[in-house]
Amino acid sequence: GESVGLHLPTLSVQEGDNSIINCAYSNSASDYFIWYKQESGKGPQFIIDIRSNMDKRQGQRVTVLLNKTVKHLSLQIAATQPGDSAVYFCAESGGYQKVTFGTGTKLQVIP
Amino acid sequence: DAMVIQNPRYQVTQFGKPVTLSCSQTLNHNVMYWYQQKSSQAPKLLFHYYDKDFNNEADTPDNFQSRRPNTSFCFLDIRSPGLGDAAMYLCATSATQGAYGYTFGSGTRLTVV
Repeated sequence: GESVGLHLPTLSVQEGDNSIINCAYSNSASDYFIWYKQESGKGPQFIIDIRSNMDKRQGQRVTVLLNKTVKHLSLQIAATQPGDSAVYFCAESGGYQKVTFGTGTKLQVIP
Repeated sequence: DAMVIQNPRYQVTQFGKPVTLSCSQTLNHNVMYWYQQKSSQAPKLLFHYYDKDFNNEADTPDNFQSRRPNTSFCFLDIRSPGLGDAAMYLCATSATQGAYGYTFGSGTRLTVV
């Protein structure tokens, strides 16, 4: 069936470096993509989203890139900080359909 | 601040004993969702309410039920919890169906003993 998956389960990054978290999706009908951050014991927190008519969107220290040709989504975090340590989920949705989450990547920031 | 509130944060229940988790929202959103999240896994949608219309996911066990008495509140009832139902249960809301403007609560961690 359609699925959203992540390439790496754990990513370790030195504090101050940039982080890149990748995600592959398989539903070509998806037109809306979201990145969530989930800290231990908390619910997912919205970080940034992008619609399929865009290929890049920037927020504060975060950038999402969308490559529809290869069905790939990435989250870039600039100057990674200890507070960025969390599990990051990509999620996708097609129109007014439910959100499907990927398996998650744990980001560990090394001080 | 407008938000999604889940109570309790931690719930311990006995095997087979019915348990109810609650979610309230001050966002006046039409849609409320219940997700189950097991350790190190992605949240999995159990069901959602669009206003008063209940939408069950095909693979949600009958053991899980939900009630939405009004716009602000939604409940998750587990009729006979098994050990495999131990998980974090997340409530989320959105103004309309779909992903736009999803807001999650902090979750209720359920332990079954």
